[in-house]
Amino acid sequence: EVQLVESGGGLVQPGRSLRLSCTASEFTFRHYAVSWVRQAPGKGLEWVGFIRPTIYGGTTEYDASVKGRFTISRDDSKSVVYLQMNSLKIEDTAVYYCARIFMATIPQPYYYGMDVWGQGTTVTVS
Amino acid sequence: IQLTQSPSSLSASVGDRVTITCRASQGISTSLTWYQQKPGKAPKILIYETSTLQSGVPSRFSGSGSGTDFTLTISSLQPEDFATYYCQQVNSYPSTFGGGTKVEIK
Repeated sequence: EVQLVESGGGLVQPGRSLRLSCTASEFTFRHYAVSWVRQAPGKGLEWVGFIRPTIYGGTTEYDASVKGRFTISRDDSKSVVYLQMNSLKIEDTAVYYCARIFMATIPQPYYYGMDVWGQGTTVTVS
Repeated sequence: IQLTQSPSSLSASVGDRVTITCRASQGISTSLTWYQQKPGKAPKILIYETSTLQSGVPSRFSGSGSGTDFTLTISSLQPEDFATYYCQQVNSYPSTFGGGTKVEIK
């Protein structure tokens, strides 16, 4: 079964760091971009950032609210994407989802949306 | 780019036709995706590129629009459609979501 599984969530104090992992299975991980999306309690979805496939440089984009504090990286050999979260704030409290982005490659990379999602992992900053 | 969804919530009955709108603060061509989320669950993609139905999604869901104004329509609401719906623009980064529309049972 194609799936993503997040791990690494928990309770952390403001100003501290936490690293989330997103482990993929049953698809060719290196061909896909992966996003992180979060949802604060009782709130809507918030896009955090994404990482392109390695073939397209493995570069990243971030929302302004996390830029400079969060870093997304990938290890294609392990089929894992990481979200390193530093200088955590109370407002970072949320369920964090990773999601596979499906894309077109011709004539140039174009990212349509997120078709496979993990179950989410909860981060509480308090 | 800001996305404004309306209404933020609505009450409807099984069999009703439901329309949700998503307005972008600037033109995004047709780079809009719709998701459905049920309580305690991850979102599920419904439609991408404004109007293309994701595989396995019932044909009662449809999308339209371009530029700044988009709609998601459910032609005949079914019990399993009661959920929150989000639009997302993928035209430029940072990508953004609309605030969501909660569809409740009347």
